[in-house]
Amino acid sequence: GAGVSQSPSNKVTEKGKDVELRCDPISGHTALYWYRQSLGQGLEFLIYFQGNSAPDKSGLPSDRFSAERTGGSVSTLTIQRTQQEDSAVYLCASSLIPAGVGELFFGEGSRLTVL
Amino acid sequence: KNQVEQSPQSLIILEGKNCTLQCNYTVSPFSNLRWYKQDTGRGPVSLTIMTFSENTKSNGRYTATLDADTKQSSLHITASQLSDSASYICVVSLLNTPLVFGKGTRLSVIA
Repeated sequence: GAGVSQSPSNKVTEKGKDVELRCDPISGHTALYWYRQSLGQGLEFLIYFQGNSAPDKSGLPSDRFSAERTGGSVSTLTIQRTQQEDSAVYLCASSLIPAGVGELFFGEGSRLTVL
Repeated sequence: KNQVEQSPQSLIILEGKNCTLQCNYTVSPFSNLRWYKQDTGRGPVSLTIMTFSENTKSNGRYTATLDADTKQSSLHITASQLSDSASYICVVSLLNTPLVFGKGTRLSVIA
């Protein structure tokens, strides 16, 4: 697609439920990143994919969080047994080459509210 | 610890006025520095990217400066418009490691 696409744009869920957030990066972009942005806070790195592998998972806050990427394209971020502190905007970004050098393009984010 | 500090935290200016946002970083070794604009409810959009050898870069009414010796950067906005109201985020990167994001400066331009 023309840009990074994320879905759903908004998700309201009950505490304890599992949620899946989807990211469709720009076609051809090998690097994909997930970030979390809490209200009034900066972006918090979660995980980085190069192709289908995740060389850096250091930002995942707990074992309730996991992510996968298939076919070097679409990625899914899964949060199990959601907690209220998981409420945030989850942003996905992609780049043609690793973002330490390459331009980073962001999606519009998925706003998660855990009641 | 790699950190990016931005100031002020928030700023209100009148339409048509200029303003300057500051970014100090401790990231080392340094690869490049970026400024992003994030409208409310939207994803960040890149304004400029500068390598350590560049001192200034412009994008329309936005001009970014970089002093790699003092590890400071600034974003100057000229003749502000209402549409400039947004958060401006300074991001510093090392090669092949996660980008380090500042918390941003919230700019409000009022008529």
